[in-house]
Amino acid sequence: SQELEQSPQSLIVQEGKNLTINCTSSKTLYGLYWYKQKYGEGLIFLMMLQKGGEEKSHEKITAKLDEKKQQSSLHITASQPSHAGIYLCGADILRYNNNDMRFGAGTRLTVKP
Amino acid sequence: DSGVTQTPKHLITATGQRVTLRCSPRSGDLSVYWYQQSLDQGLQFLIQYYNGEERAKGNILERFSAQQFPDLHSELNLSSLELGDSALYFCASSGSAPNTDTQYFGPGTRLTVL
Repeated sequence: SQELEQSPQSLIVQEGKNLTINCTSSKTLYGLYWYKQKYGEGLIFLMMLQKGGEEKSHEKITAKLDEKKQQSSLHITASQPSHAGIYLCGADILRYNNNDMRFGAGTRLTVKP
Repeated sequence: DSGVTQTPKHLITATGQRVTLRCSPRSGDLSVYWYQQSLDQGLQFLIQYYNGEERAKGNILERFSAQQFPDLHSELNLSSLELGDSALYFCASSGSAPNTDTQYFGPGTRLTVL
């Protein structure tokens, strides 16, 4: 089973609409990362959240970290076709003395003009 | 363009062979990360180096090894290749100001094992 669950798996929205993607961890989070990947291309780092309650924004994308729920949400306001792609969350899971990272399976976003 | 370069872009080889993937980080970045992305396993963190030293280790197989050289470029060595090693291998770098935590990803090397 995935240690990081993303929901929804895919999302189709009309241009201009707001949307939210969630990432929930089954383990304690020590850092949460959001990435975007265009189909067949490399990853773009969006932001990193480390503290509970932390909220960061990158253009029209805002992400929050809820440490108690072990969850992060990514919110896009007034979506545009340029927002289309696969959004991945990643998390630091400290294990013994070895840092490790896990990733969600991704959320595929389609924005219809 | 992220400033991170990876070579080669594509690599096709046979089972049992050994390959080396190369990554040049952004100027000023001291950390280099390696990731593997495949359809069945998704994105997996392999290993991180910081200024030549191994910093963190993820799901890296014993058949795989990496190193970071004094000029900060990094190489990922994959040996005794299996069909399941076919994947996209990404390198990322981080560390330079002002956003020291931001990871910049290279375009990836697509490895196909036949």
